[in-house]
Amino acid sequence: AQSVSQHNHHVILSEAASLELGCNYSYGGTVNLFWYVQYPGQHLQLLLKYFSGDPLVKGIKGFEAEFIKSKFSFNLRKPSVQWSDTAEYFCAVKNGNNRLAFGKGNQVVVIP
Amino acid sequence: NAGVTQTPKFRVLKTGQSMTLLCAQDMNHEYMYWYRQDPGMGLRLIHYSVGEGTTAKGEVPDGYNVSRLKKQNFLLGLESAAPSQTSVYFCASSYAGEQFFGPGTRLTVL
Repeated sequence: AQSVSQHNHHVILSEAASLELGCNYSYGGTVNLFWYVQYPGQHLQLLLKYFSGDPLVKGIKGFEAEFIKSKFSFNLRKPSVQWSDTAEYFCAVKNGNNRLAFGKGNQVVVIP
Repeated sequence: NAGVTQTPKFRVLKTGQSMTLLCAQDMNHEYMYWYRQDPGMGLRLIHYSVGEGTTAKGEVPDGYNVSRLKKQNFLLGLESAAPSQTSVYFCASSYAGEQFFGPGTRLTVL
């Protein structure tokens, strides 16, 4: 089954800084990839997903992610973060029976 | 359309007590899942179901049981709670590969 690794578990940055979170999955073939966000005290919400087609995926709240097949990566980016982007971000890859394998998450803190 | 709901929202148990967490979805999804979330561990799959009357083990099934008697409900049971089961539990349902999450249940086992 696929697995996911996320790096830099804790990220602290100032408002207006750019954010990039790395995500690598374990092996090739057809992959379905997701980024979820969890705001403090809330449940996970879908930011964006990649199933096929354009490898640059646009999501909600100005986030985007790029699927690079040769690098087994699906990195999340936002050009200019806001205080309200403080949250935990999870990358996930789909396995059989629509199961998702999640990474350990990135805790992002944006300082006003 | 409530999506995925979970009851209760919070619970404190003593070691050895039992309880059942209820997950309900009104989206007519076939697939449902139970996860636990612990700091620094991400989400780990406990059990899942691919349809009414079916269940299967996930990554961390020990100490938990599940039932899916009705399509819209997925129950997670702890027969004899242990402090290691202190966690936040999330239920999800799935359609076309995307999972939709409930608000979570925060469980503390003393």
